[in-house]
Amino acid sequence: EPEVTQTPSHQVTQMGQEVILRCVPISNHLYFYWYRQILGQKVEFLVSFYNNEISEKSEIFDDQFSVERPDGSNFTLKIRSTKLEDSAMYFCASTLNSGNTEAFFGQGTRLTVV
Amino acid sequence: RKEVEQDPGPFNVPEGATVAFNCTYSNSASQSFFWYRQDCRKEPKLLMSVYSSGNEDGRFTAQLNRASQYISLLIRDSKLSDSATYLCVVNGLNTNAGKSTFGDGTTLTVKP
Repeated sequence: EPEVTQTPSHQVTQMGQEVILRCVPISNHLYFYWYRQILGQKVEFLVSFYNNEISEKSEIFDDQFSVERPDGSNFTLKIRSTKLEDSAMYFCASTLNSGNTEAFFGQGTRLTVV
Repeated sequence: RKEVEQDPGPFNVPEGATVAFNCTYSNSASQSFFWYRQDCRKEPKLLMSVYSSGNEDGRFTAQLNRASQYISLLIRDSKLSDSATYLCVVNGLNTNAGKSTFGDGTTLTVKP
């Protein structure tokens, strides 16, 4: 079964450092998303991406965040200067289209900012 | 008001019990509806889509009432392996129908 893959599974970084979280969506999917889940809290939408541009972003997705699809397969989330409160599980997801379709989630990257 | 609101839980039930989860959503223009299951520290996994006609998959039955903006999930003959957090997920408006809005989740523990 096709799946969304994320790397690394766990990243520990010092406050103020830049991190890049990587995702390989399902190959024929066209819409890509990043979500975050702080420990013990709900899954929150960060950003959606289609046709090489951001289609929507949440209030969480401030200037410290950026996304990119540098080639035909990878979809990355960059956090420029990490803060302690960025510690969370980050999930990448992709959907085939924008209609009534399920999102497939990657296994997540656990980011710990120390 | 939260965009997606679920029963707060937790639910602790014995094996074999029937348990029902409820969810309401605030945006009447929402397009599609799902129940996901999330195990501890893992990614959400689709359990089932939810349709107005209702749908059933083995021991699981999901129902949608658009007029009341209400979604339900019924689990019959619960198993130990059903222990997880169940997430009500609503997908958005026409402009971003693929964006998922999650409820807080309802935790189910099935005990022997």
